[in-house]
Amino acid sequence: AQSVTQLGSHVSVSEGALVLLRCNYSSSVPPYLFWYVQYPNQGLQLLLKYTTGATLVKGINGFEAEFKKSETSFHLTKPSAHMSDAAEYFCAVSFNDYKLSFGAGTTVTVRA
Amino acid sequence: DTEVTQTPKHLVMGMTNKKSLKCEQHMGHRAMYWYKQKAKKPPELMFVYSYEKLSINESVPSRFSPECPNSSLLNLHLHALQPEDSALYLCASSRAGPEYFFGSGTRLTVV
Repeated sequence: AQSVTQLGSHVSVSEGALVLLRCNYSSSVPPYLFWYVQYPNQGLQLLLKYTTGATLVKGINGFEAEFKKSETSFHLTKPSAHMSDAAEYFCAVSFNDYKLSFGAGTTVTVRA
Repeated sequence: DTEVTQTPKHLVMGMTNKKSLKCEQHMGHRAMYWYKQKAKKPPELMFVYSYEKLSINESVPSRFSPECPNSSLLNLHLHALQPEDSALYLCASSRAGPEYFFGSGTRLTVV
């Protein structure tokens, strides 16, 4: 069965520092992979996705992620954190079967 | 138009009330979803409609009743809910695969 694991339920970074959020999936075939962001009392906003093709995916707000099949990983990075990046981040997987499965989420706080 | 619109944004209902949540999209997506999200938790899939037919029901209690009147609309009818049903209810739509769009949700409180 497909599953996705986010390592670290909470990440705290200083403004201007690197943001790194970890996501690993469990699957015998490469899934579709997504990162979503959720601000308080709001819905989910798609940051980026990997379907096929280039393994380095660039998203909105300066985020990017790299699909590494050998490591079954899809980690999210941003070179320089901004205060507005404070939010909940979810990694998710899909196999084109109408089921989008989410990781447990990582809360990001940004210190001034 | 790349929006999924959910109404109302907030809803407070008693345990004996009947209410409905509404979701609308005009992107031509033929799959629509209801998710439930409790505080500090990831969204959990409730229902999937594909081409206006219910294709997935994740063992949701019958007090939640989905309806898809047409390809752009998705409703969730609520009846005799419990306080533990209080949550953020998210609607989403997609093509058949990797393009999911979420609404901003309805914050439901059952008193």
